[in-house]
Amino acid sequence: EIVLTQSPGTLSLSPGERATLSCRASQSVGSSYLAWYQQKPGQTPRLLIYAASSRATGIPDRFSGSGSGTDFTLTISRLEPEDFAVYYCQQYGGSPPISFGPGTKVDIK
Amino acid sequence: QVQLQESGPGLVKPSETLSLTCTVSGGSVRSGSNYWSWIRQPPGKGLEWLGYIYYSGSTNYNPSLKSRVTVSVDTSKNQFSLKLTSVTAADTAVYYCASVKSYGAFDYWGQGALVTVSS
Repeated sequence: EIVLTQSPGTLSLSPGERATLSCRASQSVGSSYLAWYQQKPGQTPRLLIYAASSRATGIPDRFSGSGSGTDFTLTISRLEPEDFAVYYCQQYGGSPPISFGPGTKVDIK
Repeated sequence: QVQLQESGPGLVKPSETLSLTCTVSGGSVRSGSNYWSWIRQPPGKGLEWLGYIYYSGSTNYNPSLKSRVTVSVDTSKNQFSLKLTSVTAADTAVYYCASVKSYGAFDYWGQGALVTVSS
């Protein structure tokens, strides 16, 4: 079973700062089937990154993803006020076929 | 632009079966490039994948719920559905339907349907 762990649980930063979020898998995620989502309170999750490093349609280039195997990172180069939210990573193709990490909350310092 | 909309009862009694339907517009459940999935989120908690179906009827479920979950598809109505049996209060959640691309990411989501399990 692939278990995803995200760190930190909460990240307190100011607008304009750089955010670095980590997602670690208990086993290798094949073919980098790793995605990142943003969820704001009361809203549906939004796909940011797929295949570890590809930005989804309409996602600003301040969002970037990297990593392979068991260690993945979502970076927000300069935080905008609308970026304060919860971020989830998700793997596909392991066992279970799909699972999500517990999330990292990015809040305003 | 694909749009998905969940529908079904917002209140289900304990031990009964939760049933939801997702109607797809702007796209087809027959699309060979998509799987169709259900995800849930208990209040204040994270996301849990429940299962997915391909238009052919092939399914895959979360092992933690496998014995209680069934996902089906109705290509004639461009819909897919979720049934979750023997529900308890722990099944209270917002239930989302979503499309899964071949690279494994959920690209389109429904707005979510809150289902409360209570007598």
